[in-house]
Amino acid sequence: GVTQSPTHLIKTRGQQVTLRCSSQSGHNTVSWYQQALGQGPQFIFQYYREEENGRGNFPPRFSGLQFPNDSSELNVNALELDDSALYLCASSLGTGNTEAFFGQGTRLTVV
Amino acid sequence: DQQVKQNSPSLSVQEGRISILNCDYTNSMFDYFLWYKKYPAEGPTFLISISSIKDKNEDGRFTVFLNKSAKHLSLHIVPSQPGDSAVYFCAARDYNTDKLIFGTGTRLQVFP
Repeated sequence: GVTQSPTHLIKTRGQQVTLRCSSQSGHNTVSWYQQALGQGPQFIFQYYREEENGRGNFPPRFSGLQFPNDSSELNVNALELDDSALYLCASSLGTGNTEAFFGQGTRLTVV
Repeated sequence: DQQVKQNSPSLSVQEGRISILNCDYTNSMFDYFLWYKKYPAEGPTFLISISSIKDKNEDGRFTVFLNKSAKHLSLHIVPSQPGDSAVYFCAARDYNTDKLIFGTGTRLQVFP
């Protein structure tokens, strides 16, 4: 399956954070989502074969990396209070997202 | 601008009865629709999907109906079971970008 680490994290405003995701074996596409309280997941960006392949309405301080070993990272610089949310990664085979598998998420709290 | 809307934040249904969860969308470029189920402290789990060229897809107790002219889809669960209690998200894929756009979710509670 898809696993994310850590499960919970508390950071101070202005700090930087790295969230990690291990995709389902064989999946070449990973997408990251931000889910604020009471909202549905919002698309941040997608990586396909280690290249960014589409981005949502998030500022450049949100960046990512995808590695050849089925792992990926979401980096957020200059954290703001509004960045507090559940961050989800989803892996799929191909970019079509017709059946993306999600991890359990990382709950980030910015204080 | 909410392109995918789930107007009912919650739904309560008796065990054995039918649960109907609704979803409306505004973007004609959506070509694929998915339903996800989410339990607390877990990520969303894929449930069922439907292509825009179809109007119905069935998988066991779960059936999704798509009405393109009304830009409306619904998920039917028959019979409902207590284990179905979760938050259900409707998602649509944008044909141009492959992005999934999610609704805000409907919390389903199935009581005995």
